[in-house]
Amino acid sequence: NAGVTQTPKFQVLKTGQSMTLQCAQDMNHNSMYWYRQDPGMGLRLIYYSASEGTTDKGEVPNGYNVSRLNKREFSLRLESAAPSQTSVYFCAIIRGQGVYGYTFGSGTRLTVV
Amino acid sequence: ILNVEQSPQSLHVQEGDSTNFTCSFPSSNFYALHWYRWETAKSPEALFVMTLNGDEKKKGRISATLNTKEGYSYLYIKGSQPEDSATYLCAFRTGNQFYFGTGTSLTVIP
Repeated sequence: NAGVTQTPKFQVLKTGQSMTLQCAQDMNHNSMYWYRQDPGMGLRLIYYSASEGTTDKGEVPNGYNVSRLNKREFSLRLESAAPSQTSVYFCAIIRGQGVYGYTFGSGTRLTVV
Repeated sequence: ILNVEQSPQSLHVQEGDSTNFTCSFPSSNFYALHWYRWETAKSPEALFVMTLNGDEKKKGRISATLNTKEGYSYLYIKGSQPEDSATYLCAFRTGNQFYFGTGTSLTVIP
């Protein structure tokens, strides 16, 4: 997954706690995405950012906030974690205007208890 | 929310068998169709990005076709090998949004 770095890889939170998932890319691409992966549900888009300073909601944005402060970094924040947010989270960039498809980060496995 | 369906959900084949699976998607507002290979404990990796009706793409023993008018794409694997075991995802792109199927899990038995 060279080019897209996600941290942390694993996290356990208690209900109501907050945390921020970090994503950084070194490929100088405009578009960045946050997805969640749940069994039997496929990858679902939470938020995306088409360019620095812009963000848009995806399919499942409730309970999340994002921040794209610069071209390189796109963070996902859970303000008050809920068990329903237990999932695997992937950050991704789209290369070459989509010609090459997504490059995904290595994922963050989050458990909310 | 758009519906992208993949079938079958899972598949077990013997080493050397050829196999194929289907991705169905809306036939309107089509921009692109992606195929990804996803191995356990790793991240999805792009196989193909297809944009034109009738497109055929090939990478080694894996190939894909696209029919945008009827809304389906086929992924073929010729002479399956154990290392082909993975989940194969398709993603339908409309504008700047992508909708993923739930994947076909392939197990190749040596």
